[in-house]
Amino acid sequence: GAVVSQHPSWVICKSGTSVKIECRSLDFQATTMFWYRQFPKQSLMLMATSNEGSKATYEQGVEKDKFLINHASLTLSTLTVTSAHPEDSSFYICSAPTSGSTGELFFGEGSRLTVL
Amino acid sequence: QKEVEQDPGPLSVPEGAIVSLNCTYSNSAFQYFMWYRQYSRKGPELLMYTYSSGNKEDGRFTAQVDKSSKYISLFIRDSQPSDSATYLCAMSGAGNQFYFGTGTSLTVIP
Repeated sequence: GAVVSQHPSWVICKSGTSVKIECRSLDFQATTMFWYRQFPKQSLMLMATSNEGSKATYEQGVEKDKFLINHASLTLSTLTVTSAHPEDSSFYICSAPTSGSTGELFFGEGSRLTVL
Repeated sequence: QKEVEQDPGPLSVPEGAIVSLNCTYSNSAFQYFMWYRQYSRKGPELLMYTYSSGNKEDGRFTAQVDKSSKYISLFIRDSQPSDSATYLCAMSGAGNQFYFGTGTSLTVIP
């Protein structure tokens, strides 16, 4: 299947700093990428949908100024957690469909963020 | 009513058993159905992708879709301890969105 690469897989940062997570589609072009947050033993929570060349669409309750999403190319989307606080500690996962909503949806490996 | 309903389990079976995992949904516009396996602290891995109603088999895994009942299933034959994970169903077809079940936690006991 298609490959979506996400890194870093694990990052620890101090409170108040910013952290950038990258999501790359390695063997297909992704006009759309999704960003999720997952708490332990809970399901995926969609944070935002990023579309190449346009602004991301955020889900209700997700702070767009806190979670900056950039999708500048067809193979790369980034999520920047700005001024991170301990409550932002979580598992963040990206995904990309190979062909809109009719294609297979592939996930990155996930990024575990720990804010001290 | 949630778009997709999935029993969270946990489900525990002995090694070699046949496992049946299920999801129901409410939106008749869904046409694409997926099953994922997620190990702890890893991203979900796509196991099966099916379109519309019918069956699809891949090794020990069989996916079934019954659109008339809005019901999908994943069967795992000869289950192995390495199958212990959380299984997520997902579906799409109604706009550029994917809808997920909450996941079923499976443990296969050696």
